[in-house]
Amino acid sequence: DTGVSQDPRHKITKRGQNVTFRCDPISEHNRLYWYRQTLGQGPEFLTYFQNEAQLEKSRLLSDRFSAERPKGSFSTLEIQRTEQGDSAMYLCASSSRLATRRRHEQFFGPGTRLTVL
Amino acid sequence: AQKVTQAQTEISVVEKEDVTLDCVYETRDTTYYLFWYKQPPSGELVFLIRRNSFDEQNEISGRYSWNFQKSTSSFNFTITASQVVDSAVYFCALRGNAGGTSYGKLTFGQGTILTVHP
Repeated sequence: DTGVSQDPRHKITKRGQNVTFRCDPISEHNRLYWYRQTLGQGPEFLTYFQNEAQLEKSRLLSDRFSAERPKGSFSTLEIQRTEQGDSAMYLCASSSRLATRRRHEQFFGPGTRLTVL
Repeated sequence: AQKVTQAQTEISVVEKEDVTLDCVYETRDTTYYLFWYKQPPSGELVFLIRRNSFDEQNEISGRYSWNFQKSTSSFNFTITASQVVDSAVYFCALRGNAGGTSYGKLTFGQGTILTVHP
């Protein structure tokens, strides 16, 4: 079956610019997660959607970050006025408690690597 | 609050050696799930195993085995007869009970970089 996809895979931007990332989850999955991974660290939770509802946001998600999941399908993560500290790998994962295979488990996408110059 | 600690930052072994990656966790949930993920240089996280807190039976899958000890809050991962292709970053992760406010989010450790030399 098709896995989680993310676009773009790499993004280089200048400080102060806005960037937007897209995540397409596995089609039957109603849960979608965003994580951020900085160099040498494990992924850290950013936000969670169940269908189109954003149910939890980490304190890591400053007001410059916004995420959406219109119609409960793909999701976008936007960072406004990027800062050098935003440089990281942004990972998307999806899961479903109704899935026939590996229920509840999160399948991760390949990530979007952001570099802010 | 939940926490996962992987004390070993880097491990280097020679091919065919056995290697154990340590993981210690903290949680107040009575029901929780533990995971191991592999992250090769390509960056994508690859699921290896999930263990429920109420199932302390150890598991073996080929060259991989996992030792879950609730009494010491540890979930260690052993690779037997390591191979060069095992070189990657390995993450231990914890998920609390998906009820309440945790919504199934994963808390990851810092990761252990494993390098297997030929």
